[in-house]
Amino acid sequence: DGGITQSPKYLFRKEGQNVTLSCEQNLNHDAMYWYRQDPGQGLRLIYYSQIVNDFQKGDIAEGYSVSREKKESFPLTVTSAQKNPTAFYLCASSILPGPDAYEQYFGPGTRLTVT
Amino acid sequence: SQQGEEDPQALSIQEGENATMNCSYKTSINNLQWYRQNSGRGLVHLILIRSNEREKHSGRLRVTLDTSKKSSSLLITASRAADTASYFCATVNAGGTSYGKLTFGQGTILTVHP
Repeated sequence: DGGITQSPKYLFRKEGQNVTLSCEQNLNHDAMYWYRQDPGQGLRLIYYSQIVNDFQKGDIAEGYSVSREKKESFPLTVTSAQKNPTAFYLCASSILPGPDAYEQYFGPGTRLTVT
Repeated sequence: SQQGEEDPQALSIQEGENATMNCSYKTSINNLQWYRQNSGRGLVHLILIRSNEREKHSGRLRVTLDTSKKSSSLLITASRAADTASYFCATVNAGGTSYGKLTFGQGTILTVHP
């Protein structure tokens, strides 16, 4: 069964704690992305990676960190520096992007609540 | 920053009717994509239209693109209750080095009543 998995589906943390969200894909895609979605809003790009051991900041990278040590995995850490971490986090992947980019495949999302 | 503006923000129709959603954007694009999101779930890709295309069909979906007006529309014909979802447009900007980066609109919430 090919696809993208995110775990856990729901995550609860206390303020001041770092938390890592998992994203794994078995689609053999080169590019992976992390988005944040707030209620009633569209998606905003946090970080993206086009190749292993390389990643770039998106529009709202402050307070987040990522790693890309394996092609299949792109974990996102929400640090205590992120002022409003409560949100729905979506991971996506696509085949090697070029100027004429392709569609992205999304995971089911992780809903993070920080109190 | 959000590239796209979608209109309307919410749309409520009866089963069997057509649903039209519009998306406007600000900068030159390579392509524009439409996605669907069921409540609390991930997004599903529906259709991609390239900047040199004007219209594209996929099943009950019809997408148009007018690059002179920087706008696109998504038409769902003969809607079904199962089409109830949020629909997002997303653009890939022309030029630059941010290959693959999508910029999403805020979405249209479609409710189809049986």
